[in-house]
Amino acid sequence: GENVEQHPSTLSVQEGDSAVIKCTYSDSASNYFPWYKQELGKRPQLIIDIRSNVGEKKDQRIAVTLNKTAKHFSLHITETQPEDSAVYFCAASITGTASKLTFGTGTRLQVTL
Amino acid sequence: NAGVTQTPKFQVLKTGQSMTLQCAQDMNHNSMYWYRQDPGMGLRLIYYSASEGTTDKGEVPNGYNVSRLNKREFSLRLESAAPSQTSVYFCASSEVPEGSEQYFGPGTRLTVT
Repeated sequence: GENVEQHPSTLSVQEGDSAVIKCTYSDSASNYFPWYKQELGKRPQLIIDIRSNVGEKKDQRIAVTLNKTAKHFSLHITETQPEDSAVYFCAASITGTASKLTFGTGTRLQVTL
Repeated sequence: NAGVTQTPKFQVLKTGQSMTLQCAQDMNHNSMYWYRQDPGMGLRLIYYSASEGTTDKGEVPNGYNVSRLNKREFSLRLESAAPSQTSVYFCASSEVPEGSEQYFGPGTRLTVT
């Protein structure tokens, strides 16, 4: 089955700096790659997603890039703010498996003042 | 709309006891999912239901059973709880099975002693 690896497990940045979280996946058939944000004690929520026919997608301060050849995708957060502090999960979905997402193990992002 | 709701919020069980976690969604979604979240392990799929009347195993189904009662409700049952099932359980739903946003419930924190 699919395997998703996520790095780093923790990341500390100063407010205003950029943060990058990277994920690799194993199954070349995967074609849907969402990112979820989970604040402490809360439920995961989708922040951005990308499909295999697109190389990059942006939404304000957040962007995701996908390299299908290398089987990796990354989340980029620019101009970080304290409210960006949370755990971020990447995930991958294999075509035809009823959106069965395989999640990475998460990155705890801490934005310091 | 309440979105995805789960009951109970917290539960403590003794080894060998049984219980059912309830999940309901009011978004008219076709697909529903049960995940468990353990520290450092991300979210792992236990069971899912691509559409009303169907259920399938996910990554970690052992020790669990599910029932898709109707389009709105998807329950998870632990027949004989074990300490290894101590975890936070999240229910989620999505409009269609493939490549769409999953909406998560608030979670149930289960402790098995």
